[in-house]
Amino acid sequence: QKEVEQDPGPLSVPEGAIVSLNCTYSNSAFQYFMWYRQYSRKGPELLMYTYSSGNKEDGRFTAQVDKSSKYISLFIRDSQPSDSATYLCAMSAGGDDKIIFGKGTRLHILP
Amino acid sequence: EPEVTQTPSHQVTQMGQEVILRCVPISNHLYFYWYRQILGQKVEFLVSFYNNEISEKSEIFDDQFSVERPDGSNFTLKIRSTKLEDSAMYFCASRGARDNSPLHFGNGTRLTVT
Repeated sequence: QKEVEQDPGPLSVPEGAIVSLNCTYSNSAFQYFMWYRQYSRKGPELLMYTYSSGNKEDGRFTAQVDKSSKYISLFIRDSQPSDSATYLCAMSAGGDDKIIFGKGTRLHILP
Repeated sequence: EPEVTQTPSHQVTQMGQEVILRCVPISNHLYFYWYRQILGQKVEFLVSFYNNEISEKSEIFDDQFSVERPDGSNFTLKIRSTKLEDSAMYFCASRGARDNSPLHFGNGTRLTVT
């Protein structure tokens, strides 16, 4: 089983829709969970950063972590064409532990 | 807002040649990383660096790779004898001293080995 699994998509949704992006993981030691956005030929840009289980909201973005199910989600409300990008989940056990990325989900928001 | 900068943005080299990829991390950050992303694949960890030494390296980071912080601002990745399969985007990242602070990435260097 891969350490972090993420559906690569592509996922196409109409503008204004709610987008749900998800990752599963196998390592129960992961404590820190991140979502990065990556535009074509650019570096990953940090969107959300959460610790342990629970929800975190920032504007149109909500990150959810369910450690009991080893499942994390990113919700985007009122999606915009400018949200079209690849979304990468990432996680680590903390301390000096390296961050492990999912493969990324390509998202297209259709005007 | 401070950012990680990488140069060059694109490097083309012939197989067997040495390349040096350069990075200027965010100025007050203490932890430095190189990741790579082969086209269409996931972002993969290569190496982490703290206090002037390697903290951890992946299986990818073999004897052909080395890292250096030659001065107080630059962080470099050297590939001694490039192979075709080294063609990828190479991302530098840094993070601050606070425990578990998140990584901030540069925009990458696209390395093409011909």
